Amino acid sequence: DIVMTQSPDSLAVSLGERATINCKSSQSVLYSSNNKNYLGWYQKKPGQPPKLLIYWASTRESGVPDRFSGSGSGTDFTLTISSLQAEDVAVYYCQQYYSTPITFGQGTRLEIK
Amino acid sequence: QVQVVQSGAEVEKPGASVKVSCRASGYTFISYYIHWVRQAPGQGLEWMGTINPNGGSTTYAQRFQGRVTMTRDTSTTTVYMELSSLRSEDTAVYYCARVLEANSAYRGFDYWGQGTLVTVSP
Repeated sequence: DIVMTQSPDSLAVSLGERATINCKSSQSVLYSSNNKNYLGWYQKKPGQPPKLLIYWASTRESGVPDRFSGSGSGTDFTLTISSLQAEDVAVYYCQQYYSTPITFGQGTRLEIK
Repeated sequence: QVQVVQSGAEVEKPGASVKVSCRASGYTFISYYIHWVRQAPGQGLEWMGTINPNGGSTTYAQRFQGRVTMTRDTSTTTVYMELSSLRSEDTAVYYCARVLEANSAYRGFDYWGQGTLVTVSP
């Protein structure tokens, strides 16, 4: 199984400041035949289902604010929120869909400082 | 518009089975795989498996093999997830989710059901 490890486990950032969440996979999730990283990012708020933010490691899902961006390749990935808003308080998960079982990181809790 | 609506909360006894439904609408049902993900209280997200509504083929996570069954009914555009031999550790919110891209099993999940709380208690 591919193990996804996020850092940090929790993060407190001031409103308007940048938030950075890292995700490391135990093996590469870059598929050589199409040069795509099989990596997604989700936002999870209490009582709501997860919301897809980013897929293919860096493609923003339709309707997601452009303050959210994803980067990285191979085994190391980053989700960046460029200017934190109050509504961004949530738990964020990375997910690999390169191979089964599909696996998620343990989550990073993002709060306002 | 795409909608994914799950059945309501369930309370079951240890050893029993539970069957959760997931009704999809607003798109071509057989073109998009459906996945099931669960979240136990205070825990992270755990993938359980996937079903191809076009033909009904399934892939399950090994840890659920033998206990989970995913089926679909194309006439009602509904997918079902049945989990048997329930134990307390199966208490969780169960989600179904549609894959992002048609005719592809493994992509991000763009539309999710609202979640179904399954409580396993004596």
